[in-house]
Amino acid sequence: RKEVEQDPGPFNVPEGATVAFNCTYSNSASQSFFWYRQDCRKEPKLLMSVYSSGNEDGRFTAQLNRASQYISLLIRDSKLSDSATYLCVVNWDNNDMRFGAGTRLTVKP
Amino acid sequence: DVKVTQSSRYLVKRTGEKVFLECVQDMDHENMFWYRQDPGLGLRLIYFSYDVKMKEKGDIPEGYSVSREKKERFSLILESASTNQTSMYLCASSFLAGIAYNEQFFGPGTRLTVL
Repeated sequence: RKEVEQDPGPFNVPEGATVAFNCTYSNSASQSFFWYRQDCRKEPKLLMSVYSSGNEDGRFTAQLNRASQYISLLIRDSKLSDSATYLCVVNWDNNDMRFGAGTRLTVKP
Repeated sequence: DVKVTQSSRYLVKRTGEKVFLECVQDMDHENMFWYRQDPGLGLRLIYFSYDVKMKEKGDIPEGYSVSREKKERFSLILESASTNQTSMYLCASSFLAGIAYNEQFFGPGTRLTVL
C-alpha cells in the first residue's frame, strides 16, 4: 500500500460544479494533515490544514476520517482559478511529511 | 512574507558532473528540506535538516548529499550526476514545531536535466 494515495484524476468539471477528492494514508499514528495546491510549473502552497472535526474555508471543506485513514477535500461552486493539482500531505513523525502524487483538477467554462 | 529562493530555475548538466543546488530562506526557519518531484510519484524527500550542521536522510538519499553551514542556507549536492536524476528539485523550510502545525514553504524549484 502506498503511504499516501490519491486519485490522480484528471477531474474535468464545469464552472459552478462541486468536486471532491479523497486521499488515503497508511500510517495510523499520523497527527497532522494538509491539502496543498500546486499550479502548473509553480511550487506547492498550503491550501488548508485538516482538523479532526472537519473545517471549512469559504468554498473549501476538509474532512478527516481517522478510523478509515482518509482525508477529503470538497470544492463547491468551482471557479476557473481552482484549476490546479491538489496534493494531500500527511505528517509521518514530527517534521517528516509525506506527499501524495496529487489530483489534477481542470475547471472549464 | 516567507521567501525561499533557489539558485537556478533551470539547469542542464552532463553525466558525471558534480552539481550544487542552493536554497536560501529568510524567515529564520529551523527546518529545511530537499525534495524531488517526478510525474506520478509526487514529492519525495531526499534530505532534511533541523539545525545547522545537522542532516537526516529522507526516502531517497542515494546519490545525493547535503550541507547546512548556515541556518538560512541548505545545499543539495549531486556528487556524480546521472540521467535518472533528471527531475524538478524543490527546497522547503518550516518552523520547528514537533507534531503540531508546521506548514512548509517552498522555493520555486530547479528543473535539472542531466544529459
